[in-house]
Amino acid sequence: DAKTTQPPSMDCAEGRAANLPCNHSTISGNEYVYWYRQIHSQGPQYIIHGLKNNETNEMASLIITEDRKSSTLILPHATLRDTAVYYCILDLGAGSYQLTFGKGTKLSVIP
Amino acid sequence: GAGVSQSPRYKVAKRGQDVALRCDPISGHVSLFWYQQALGQGPEFLTYFQNEAQLDKSGLPSDRFFAERPEGSVSTLKIQRTQQEDSAVYLCASCTTTPRVSGQSFDGYEQYFGPGTRLTVT
Repeated sequence: DAKTTQPPSMDCAEGRAANLPCNHSTISGNEYVYWYRQIHSQGPQYIIHGLKNNETNEMASLIITEDRKSSTLILPHATLRDTAVYYCILDLGAGSYQLTFGKGTKLSVIP
Repeated sequence: GAGVSQSPRYKVAKRGQDVALRCDPISGHVSLFWYQQALGQGPEFLTYFQNEAQLDKSGLPSDRFFAERPEGSVSTLKIQRTQQEDSAVYLCASCTTTPRVSGQSFDGYEQYFGPGTRLTVT
């Protein structure tokens, strides 16, 4: 299985950009990078995904390095409601559908 | 619109009891997933349905766990003779598409999760 590595926790000041790193050095060519987050006592919530190019939506931006061995999720203006566990996940490839979550990064947004 | 709903939200069972956890996916969603989340851990895959067909049950931890989706919509996860190690949050997710198949052009997919059922076995 391809695996991801994330720091266990990070702090970010409210209003500042939160940059959450993820290493996935064994990613294969057809695997997507997904990000989900889980706010306390809720189910995980999809944020964004990408294959090779950088992606942006209304929630966040995803920057994937050219060699695809790492990526960064960017929340441009973090709010207190962004406090959550953020999971970087690899799609296991064609014919697969399991999301393998790992332990994620606990992001605390501080007033 | 309505999201994925799960019931009950909380369940306390005595060791040895049977429990049934219900998931109502988003209407029209073909794919349905169950995950188990232990305290302090990320969710772990249990089983997957495409419509009424259970295509993968490789994550079910023992034969005490059974899942069904008889009409391709609502799903039930049943745990027989509950044990303390079954205490966890059970999450259901649904998805509008079927997972990609080798050779098909595909752009990824999003799973929509319910709030979970917190099971405590005493």
